[in-house]
Amino acid sequence: KNQVEQSPQSLIILEGKNCTLQCNYTVSPFSNLRWYKQDTGRGPVSLTIMTFSENTKSNGRYTATLDADTKQSSLHITASQLSDSASYICVVSVKSSGDKLTFGTGTRLAVRP
Amino acid sequence: GAGVSQSPSNKVTEKGKDVELRCDPISGHTALYWYRQSLGQGLEFLIYFQGNSAPDKSGLPSDRFSAERTGGSVSTLTIQRTQQEDSAVYLCASSLDASGGQYFGPGTRLLVL
Repeated sequence: KNQVEQSPQSLIILEGKNCTLQCNYTVSPFSNLRWYKQDTGRGPVSLTIMTFSENTKSNGRYTATLDADTKQSSLHITASQLSDSASYICVVSVKSSGDKLTFGTGTRLAVRP
Repeated sequence: GAGVSQSPSNKVTEKGKDVELRCDPISGHTALYWYRQSLGQGLEFLIYFQGNSAPDKSGLPSDRFSAERTGGSVSTLTIQRTQQEDSAVYLCASSLDASGGQYFGPGTRLLVL
């Protein structure tokens, strides 16, 4: 069964600190993996998209890694800001016609001053 | 079932026809989200319900799109006078509250001919 598990479910950090969010998946065959940032009640914003051959991709203070062998991805946030407080959702796409998606339930990050 | 369910799973319609998509959230979840994903694209946020109210409808692509939620449970997304560019997978998610983890349904694959 295709599954995406994220950890931790929630996280509280102090402003300026770094943090790492985890995403483990059992999706097969793998097509790509996206990390989204979503503010409460708002639409998700795509942070990174990674294909099988990519190990690391950065977007400003966000760096995503992908280990296709162990089926693990991480999202590292550097020098956190209050505006980083949001849910971070990992979405894995299955390689098939129609680009089927499997969603994690997200990590809720709160950055405190 | 315990998860979010959506119906129909697939819908093929002719251009100009109206379609209605249904989402049954997890029992007790107050927040409900509708998204759309076109082939090869990221998630597009459509609308968010907290209870029966939708604070922000600006994500709906046009006035042909409408959504409602009754009894704080089932939601329907209606597309009037469908166009070919409406073809996509329409996804529904629910969460316990606005800040909780989102659980996604399997989606409705809409094809407008």
